This record gives sequence, C-alpha cells and structure tokens, in this order.
Amino acid sequence: GENVEQHPSTLSVQEGDSAVIKCTYSDSASNYFPWYKQELGKRPQLIIDIRSNVGEKKDQRIAVTLNKTAKHFSLHITETQPEDSAVYFCAASTGANNLFFGTGTRLTVIP
Amino acid sequence: KAGVTQTPRYLIKTRGQQVTLSCSPISGHRSVSWYQQTPGQGLQFLFEYFSETQRNKGNFPGRFSGRQFSNSRSEMNVSTLELGDSALYLCASSSSPDYEQYFGPGTRLTVT
Repeated sequence: GENVEQHPSTLSVQEGDSAVIKCTYSDSASNYFPWYKQELGKRPQLIIDIRSNVGEKKDQRIAVTLNKTAKHFSLHITETQPEDSAVYFCAASTGANNLFFGTGTRLTVIP
Repeated sequence: KAGVTQTPRYLIKTRGQQVTLSCSPISGHRSVSWYQQTPGQGLQFLFEYFSETQRNKGNFPGRFSGRQFSNSRSEMNVSTLELGDSALYLCASSSSPDYEQYFGPGTRLTVT
C-alpha cells in the first residue's frame, strides 16, 4: 500500500518567516495530494490540494509543489502568522477517497 | 450548507463491548470515508463508501465494519472492543470519488 513520509515532525519559525513542510510517497499511482491543518481539539481542515497533472498551486500565502518523478510534494507558507500554528498533515490518494496521511508536522509561529 | 456531523461526540465503552458511530455527510455528498486518529499511529484510513457500496478498505481487522444508507448517512461498527481501539474516529464526505474530502468533528472513543 501507499506509504507517506513527512518531515520535519516539528517546526518553529518567527512570525513573518516562511515555513516549508516536505512529504514523499511511494505509490506511483497516487494522483491527488491534499494538505490538512488541524488545530488542537478540532477537525482536520483542507487548506490546499494538488493533482498529479499540476506542478504547483498557490492560494494567497499557501503554495504546494509536486514532483512526480521524485515522488515528493511540499507545502510552503509565506509570511507566517501566529494563527498558522497547528499540526499540518500531507496525504496521498489514488483518487478513490482513500487518503494515506503523513505523520504530521507541528508548526509553531513565534510572535 | 451544514458541515459533516458525527454522533456521538464522546463515548466510553468497556473491553469486549461493541459500538456504533454515525456520520451524516454534507448535503449532496455521496462518498463517506472513515479514519482512525491516534497519537501513536496518526491518521489511518478505515474504509470508504460510495452510493451504499464499500469501495475501499484499509488494513484493519474484521471487527471494524461499516455501512452506508440510501441517504448517504454512514455508520461504522467496532465489535469486541480492545483497549487499543481508543481513538478519535473521523468521517469525511466528498461529492464524488476523487474530490475534496471534508471532515466531521469526530467521535472520541475511550475503551476501558
């Protein structure tokens, strides 16, 4: 089955700096890569996603890049704010709504 | 539109008992997926239903089962509960296969 690895497990940045979280996947059939943000005690919230026919996608301060050849994708958050502090999960799917998640990255934005 | 809802939100059960959790998807969504979240194992896929049919199943024992009704509401059942089944059970709905999934608030199950 699919195996998704995520790094780093924890990340601290100063407010205003950028944060980058990286994931790799094993199944070449995976074609959908969402990112979720989970605040303490809350549900995972979809923040951005990318499909295998696209190399990069941006939404305001958030961007995701995908390298299909290397089987890795990354989340980039620019101009970080304290409210960006949360656990971020990457995931991969073959397109059948069976998401395989990374182990999560705890992002702390220091004011 | 109302979001994904799950009931109950909290549940305490004893080893050996069984439990049924319920998930109501976003109106119009026909796909429901279930996930287990634990500190040790993270978020793990249990199974996915679309139009009342289970299309995918994760690597969980047969004690974990589910079903989906004609109105797209879904239930999952865990029989013969074990201590290790203590977890947050999340369901997610999607308008169709290969579309974005939106999560419910989860059911926190504690097995004692």
